[in-house]
Amino acid sequence: DTAVSQTPKYLVTQMGNDKSIKCEQNLGHDTMYWYKQDSKKFLKIMFSYNNKELIINETVPNRFSPKSPDKAHLNLHINSLELGDSAVYFCASSQKTGGVGLFFGSGTQLSVL
Amino acid sequence: GEDVEQSLFLSVREGDSSVINCTYTDSSSTYLYWYKQEPGAGLQLLTYIFSNMDMKQDQRLTVLLNKKDKHLSLRIADTQTGDSAIYFCAEARGGYNKLIFGAGTRLAVHP
Repeated sequence: DTAVSQTPKYLVTQMGNDKSIKCEQNLGHDTMYWYKQDSKKFLKIMFSYNNKELIINETVPNRFSPKSPDKAHLNLHINSLELGDSAVYFCASSQKTGGVGLFFGSGTQLSVL
Repeated sequence: GEDVEQSLFLSVREGDSSVINCTYTDSSSTYLYWYKQEPGAGLQLLTYIFSNMDMKQDQRLTVLLNKKDKHLSLRIADTQTGDSAIYFCAEARGGYNKLIFGAGTRLAVHP
């Protein structure tokens, strides 16, 4: 049983298209996140939801829109894809507070051509 | 990670100890973490330390925290080829586990 699962694993698309990445966690956690990892492996937080409420919204273009239908799911929709959006996107989850840290999915490799 | 810094590369011989260093800037960080990323995989939580501790040991892993200097290190004893990966340190800010990551240290283990 995968704790944090994201789909798809690979996504290849043309500039200007709209795409979505889905994430689900079965850990019973309250908080979910989206992180972006660039080609140099630098990880940066994008968004976080706590029990369907947006709690962290970093400086991200508004072409990126997260949606959390329930606390076990956090999806990421990207409009008008650009070349610079090419990266690996990681979903993660955690308890609201506490020292266990974040549990990550295996990532979605997005390539914009 | 402009606020969390790590050296980018470390090469060690199999069987030796590896020490990966990290400096952070936010003295109010309550937890500090070490994550491991293997090629094509997500991040795996290796260990973490609470800010009121100065050392934590877990099998081959030893974490040292110098809060005065905001310095964190991860020591891997008896390093194996399977330890080759990128190691990220991270500090937690705020009440929602907002993790700020370093740029990652690429550990290469050679025979």
